[in-house]
Amino acid sequence: DTEVTQTPKHLVMGMTNKKSLKCEQHMGHRAMYWYKQKAKKPPELMFVYSYEKLSINESVPSRFSPECPNSSLLNLHLHALQPEDSALYLCASSQDYQGGWTDTQYFGPGTRLTVL
Amino acid sequence: AQSVAQPEDQVNVAEGNPLTVKCTYSVSGNPYLFWYVQYPNRGLQFLLKYITGDNLVKGSYGFEAEFNKSQTSFHLKKPSALVSDSALYFCAVRGISSNTGKLIFGQGTTLQVKP
Repeated sequence: DTEVTQTPKHLVMGMTNKKSLKCEQHMGHRAMYWYKQKAKKPPELMFVYSYEKLSINESVPSRFSPECPNSSLLNLHLHALQPEDSALYLCASSQDYQGGWTDTQYFGPGTRLTVL
Repeated sequence: AQSVAQPEDQVNVAEGNPLTVKCTYSVSGNPYLFWYVQYPNRGLQFLLKYITGDNLVKGSYGFEAEFNKSQTSFHLKKPSALVSDSALYFCAVRGISSNTGKLIFGQGTTLQVKP
């Protein structure tokens, strides 16, 4: 099973709200990713967790706060977002071998976020 | 710097005809190449990858891709297109990084298969 699940599917929030996106995988993968995707554009990497530790932060604004509570779960906490943050937020996971390379990234269906 | 180019924004094919979606890459060292497909309002679905070995890679839904090192290309192909193949296709190369492999994506190619 190569399934990554994401909740909610859709989210509408005001600029003063606090909300969270959730991602879950049960493939035993130890690397998990957050991407942001605008319409008809490629995904843009935001964060990478490797063995529950933050490995990469692509200079993402602090209004986005990732969290990896355990090896199966990845959260993205949102606070004081701007309308330009409206996008599809994708989670992905992959095996993460200590030898320094990773296997295929499997993506979830995404959360469609609208910031009013 | 590593990069991926998909030279066509859109490819139009008649159903039943062969299709090709082009991808060229630029990396240091050995490339690890991937193709993903995205249907409207959905996440990316993995189609196939090249890591090493045979230059012709077979993947999901009847797709295949040919790795050509001299031309630095990894074109996606299918012998007979279906209307249901209409979607957005992304080629990606894995960046060189220590424990986590950052994917470098092309800009995407919209495939339109007409009945």
